[in-house]
Amino acid sequence: NAGVTQTPKFQVLKTGQSMTLQCAQDMNHEYMSWYRQDPGMGLRLIHYSVGAGITDQGEVPNGYNVSRSTTEDFPLRLLSAAPSQTSVYFCASREGYNEQFFGPGTRLTVL
Amino acid sequence: EDQVTQSPEALRLQEGESSSLNCSYTVSGLRGLFWYRQDPGKGPEFLFTLYSAGEEKEKERLKATLTKKESFLHITAPKPEDSATYLCAVQAGNTGKLIFGQGTTLQVKP
Repeated sequence: NAGVTQTPKFQVLKTGQSMTLQCAQDMNHEYMSWYRQDPGMGLRLIHYSVGAGITDQGEVPNGYNVSRSTTEDFPLRLLSAAPSQTSVYFCASREGYNEQFFGPGTRLTVL
Repeated sequence: EDQVTQSPEALRLQEGESSSLNCSYTVSGLRGLFWYRQDPGKGPEFLFTLYSAGEEKEKERLKATLTKKESFLHITAPKPEDSATYLCAVQAGNTGKLIFGQGTTLQVKP
């Protein structure tokens, strides 16, 4: 099992550009989440999904879109990148209310 | 409001010097409390889940305990390889969302 995979590992964008962060898991988990991690702020929930076709907002959803067309994939879209979105992004998955498994992260810089 | 506070923010220990990390929480209907370890440049790695007050879990030099208001991660005779950031998270019963603390960065010097 590869677990939770994320691509790319690093990305630099200019203000106003759009991009998609990819996330996939091979554990057949229903629950998937996106977090951002900033110094001194901890992990903050952006969006989450409890199953294919179902998504909901987390704590900091503005500027981000998600979709869940399959159990395996949960991409995160930045619509118009802003410097405030410079952060490290983690995708995670879990089964039910069990422990979450995290991906290796994507380090995003917006200039 | 659901909230998790970890202390201290940073901890420096000598190898073999035991200590404890604290995680205080307020949550509506605790479903579970999770401890994670995070190494620089990597994603969090699961350590323990605690479900009810009085519960304890152990793994090598780490022992996690839980009360109704806080959890402790005890580190016994730490080694340099225990250096990492330790994250605490609580899972609210009504939503299932995880609320994370800011973490404690542990440095163990040889």
